[in-house]
Parts: sequence; structure tokens; C-alpha cells
Amino acid sequence: EIVLTQSPDTLSLSPGERVTLSCRASQSVFGYLAWYQQKPGQAPRLLIYDASNRATGIPARFSGRGSGTEYTLTISNLEPEDFAVYFCQHRSSWPITFGQGTRLEIK
Amino acid sequence: QVVQSGAEVKKPGASVKVSCKTSGDIFTKFGISWVRQAPGQGLEWMGWISTYNGDTNYAQSFQGRVSMTIDASTETAYMELTSLTSDDTAFYYCARDYTIIRGILGYWGQGTLVTVSS
Repeated sequence: EIVLTQSPDTLSLSPGERVTLSCRASQSVFGYLAWYQQKPGQAPRLLIYDASNRATGIPARFSGRGSGTEYTLTISNLEPEDFAVYFCQHRSSWPITFGQGTRLEIK
Repeated sequence: QVVQSGAEVKKPGASVKVSCKTSGDIFTKFGISWVRQAPGQGLEWMGWISTYNGDTNYAQSFQGRVSMTIDASTETAYMELTSLTSDDTAFYYCARDYTIIRGILGYWGQGTLVTVSS
């Protein structure tokens, strides 16, 4: 199974800042990488799929890029509602796996 | 829209069956994954079912203990987990594929808390 490792585990930032989260795969996932946001008490929400495609209704400040084994999610100009946990997930082969998550907290 | 059944409390050794009703689109067009999340932990994919023909793919760690089924007449998917232990205490989510391409979890249910306790 493909292992996804996210870094860092936790980030402390202020609203208005720009942040880049990383996700590294143990082998190539061929661009089949998604990002999800989860807030306390809520289900995850799809942000980005297939590395760089924003899901419906996702603001343009969220962007994804990457290929092979290295992927990033960038949030420009952090809004207060962006402070949450972010997970990456691949669909390149069974089983689907998730990264362990990066917690984005307010400084 | 994806709506799951309510919270469950089970004793060790019992089974639980969680339902997931979808609406708003052609049921047989998009597959459904089940994902669980223990309290304060990350996301764990359990498996996927085709709503077109019922084909399944389960995570190795749940093989032999999980069964995913569908009832197309009611546009509902089900996940049954047997031989429960305290380690199975978690929120269980169903998530409908975002597109006809499987594995992009676009629409999530609200989650069902399953508590396993004697």
C-alpha cells in the first residue's frame, strides 16, 4: 500500500499569511492526489482533486500542485475559517490511503 | 446530499450496520467509499462499492469483517462491521464519488458515531 506522509504535523500562522502544506507518497501516485479540509465536529470536505483541480465552490485562494511523489496545497491570504486539519489522499491504486493530516492553527 | 443513520452503541463481539442514503443524482452513477475516524485520529479508508453493479474493494485490515452492500431501489448503501472491539469505536463516514471516476470523495455524510463498550 502507498504511504502518504504530510508535513509538517502542525503549523501556527496568522490570518492573511500564505501557507504551503506538503504530502509525499512512498511511490508515484501519478497525479491522483486529493486534499480535504476537516473542521472540528464536521465531515471532511473535498478541496482539490487530481493534484490541481479545485472542487466546486472552493475559493481560488486554495491551489494544489505536484506530480509523481511530491504534492503541495497552498492557501494564499489565510482566512479565519481556513484554520482546520488538512488531509491528502491518493486514488492511484487500491487501497486508497490518507496522509496523517496537518493541523493549521491560529498563532 | 448524503445522509447517514444515527449513532449506535454496541457490545464487544456484536455487529453494526450503518446506512447511507444519497439523493440528488443518479444513484448508480457514482461509487461510495466508507471511511472511519477514531476520536482525535486521522482518516482510515475501509472500502469502496460500485453502485452500478455492487463490486467491492475492501482495505486489507477489514477483510473478513466488513461487508458493503447497496439497495438501488432506495438509493441506500450499507456498511456492516462484525466482531466489534473497543478499537472500532469511531465515526464512520460514507462518501460518494465526486465524478464517475472512482476514489475522489466528493460528498460526505454527516458521520455515524459507533461506540463499542461493555
